[in-house]
Amino acid sequence: DAKTTQPPSMDCAEGRAANLPCNHSTISGNEYVYWYRQIHSQGPQYIIHGLKNNETNEMASLIITEDRKSSTLILPHATLRDTAVYYCIVRSYTGTASKLTFGTGTRLQVTL
Amino acid sequence: DAGITQSPRYKITETGRQVTLMCHQTWSHSYMFWYRQDLGHGLRLIYYSAAADITDKGEVPDGYVVSRSKTENFPLTLESATRSQTSVYFCASSRSTGGNQPQHFGDGTRLSIL
Repeated sequence: DAKTTQPPSMDCAEGRAANLPCNHSTISGNEYVYWYRQIHSQGPQYIIHGLKNNETNEMASLIITEDRKSSTLILPHATLRDTAVYYCIVRSYTGTASKLTFGTGTRLQVTL
Repeated sequence: DAGITQSPRYKITETGRQVTLMCHQTWSHSYMFWYRQDLGHGLRLIYYSAAADITDKGEVPDGYVVSRSKTENFPLTLESATRSQTSVYFCASSRSTGGNQPQHFGDGTRLSIL
């Protein structure tokens, strides 16, 4: 699986959009971009994933650049409960038991 | 929707003891996984299972045993616990292992071995 690079930390004011970047310049054509988050003392929580197109669900939006070398997770209206470590992961869509490789992630702090 | 549950949430035991961590999912997912999370190492895959009675090793399987007699359960056993196995253990499940299928995690078991 391709390696990802994320900033170690970010701050966001409550109610504003949080834009979390991820670089995955070595991504292959069959690799998906996944986002998870981990709130203190809880298990990783799946947020969203995509291959080429931008995706949106009830939690967030995922914007993938045309060359697929980077992506941005957008939390449209961040709340204090969104304070967590966010992990960007790229993952092959073929093969057996493709484990998730979590890097160090971005620690997002949402403040009043 | 119960999802995936792990028990116990916290466990303290002594070196040499056997301990079993339980994982139960209600989605009828085929695949189940066990990870451990340690500072400086992120999450590491211990074992996984593709279906009932089918299990395979991950990247750090030594000292652990798994079984899967029913689709919904995937217990992890430490046959003779060591201090190096002090960690937070997460169970996960997914419909398949294809890249388009997310894994969903439980809330973990925090295991301390004295």
